[in-house]
Amino acid sequence: EVQLVESGGGLVQPGGSLRLSCAASGFTFSSYEMNWVRQAPGKRLEWVSYISSSGSTIYYADSVKGRFTISRDNAKNSLYLQMNSLRAEDTAVYYCGRWDGKGGDHWGQGALVTVSS
Amino acid sequence: EIVLTQSPATLSLSPGERATLSCRASQSVSSYLAWYQQKPGQAPRLLIYDASNRATGIPARFSGSGSGTDFTLTISSLEPEDSAIYYCQQRSNWPPIPFGPGTKVDIK
Repeated sequence: EVQLVESGGGLVQPGGSLRLSCAASGFTFSSYEMNWVRQAPGKRLEWVSYISSSGSTIYYADSVKGRFTISRDNAKNSLYLQMNSLRAEDTAVYYCGRWDGKGGDHWGQGALVTVSS
Repeated sequence: EIVLTQSPATLSLSPGERATLSCRASQSVSSYLAWYQQKPGQAPRLLIYDASNRATGIPARFSGSGSGTDFTLTISSLEPEDSAIYYCQQRSNWPPIPFGPGTKVDIK
């Protein structure tokens, strides 16, 4: 069974940093592209970042470019999102999702990030 | 950047009725459009990919159609568990990989 489990969410002050992790199991992690998607309270889903299966290709939404860094460790079956210079508008539930080239076919349960003083 | 719009914003129907949801792209995305279902407090669930292909395990009452800029998600006979927000997403010209604003389906 495919499982994606996010961790690392929490409360952080504006300007602070947080690192999200996504532990994958039940599939060959190194064969799949991955994405981070977030959802602010009451808002639509927002794509945040993409990483190819090898980690060689990475993309970011303009809203996080220069502040967030996506990475993966295929040996540890793990995906990461390093978030720096956090702002109130980054407050959201963050989902990691497996991308099979046609869509996000499996998602984690989400990690809540709250940016507030 | 391709922008997706969805209509209507909210749809209120009774069980057994047919639901028709629309997604429009600001420029052609060919058939590279997906539909997701999201229930409160849950992650999104892939329903349809490449405009008309049901994802694994998706009931046959869900179908997708369209190409270019206009797409439709149809739920042929609504079940109570279909109450959710439905989002479209394009992968024709990316990044970014935007989602539409969503259509909320309420079951009366």
